[in-house]
Amino acid sequence: EIVLTQSPGTLSLSPGERATLSCRASQIVSSSFLAWYQHKPGQAPRLLIYGASSRATGIPDRFSGSGSGTDFTLTISRLEPEDFAVYYCQQYGSSQFTFGPGTKVDIK
Amino acid sequence: QVQMVQSGAEVKKPGASVKVSCKASGHTFTSYDFAWVRQAPGQGLEYMGWISVYNGNTNYAQKFQGRVTMTTDKSTNTVYMELRSLISDDTAIYYCAKKFGSGAFDIWGRGTLVTVSS
Repeated sequence: EIVLTQSPGTLSLSPGERATLSCRASQIVSSSFLAWYQHKPGQAPRLLIYGASSRATGIPDRFSGSGSGTDFTLTISRLEPEDFAVYYCQQYGSSQFTFGPGTKVDIK
Repeated sequence: QVQMVQSGAEVKKPGASVKVSCKASGHTFTSYDFAWVRQAPGQGLEYMGWISVYNGNTNYAQKFQGRVTMTTDKSTNTVYMELRSLISDDTAIYYCAKKFGSGAFDIWGRGTLVTVSS
């Protein structure tokens, strides 16, 4: 099973600032089959990025994903008030899909 | 756009089973795969498995092998997840989600709270 580690655990930032979230895999994620989700309390998770760098339908371009192999990054170029949430990475390059533990982005 | 409506909250005793449903709208139900993901209180997302509506093939997370069964009913566009031998650690919100491409999940249900308590 591929174990995903996300850092930092919590990121405290102000609106307008740039957020950089990291996801590291214990093995190479084949074909860059890595996704990022945003999750707010009481809501369903929302797909942001798939294939490491492709934005899902309707996702603003302030969200971008990059990386390959074992190291991946989600960047939010300028935080909007609605972006404060928990972000999860997920790999689907192996038959056993796994999620990372999440990074909470909260308001400084 | 596919939408998924999940069944209501459940309270179960330890050792019991629970079966959660997820009804999908849309004409192309049989073209899709659906997954189940859960979130225990204060915890992150946990992948449980997915099922192909087209041929019924399943892929279960090793942790749930032998304890979970995912099925579909094409006549009602519904996907089911049954979890057996429940323990208190199974208390969680259970989400169904449509699998997109090779394995990202692009459309999610709103979740079903399952509480396991004696």
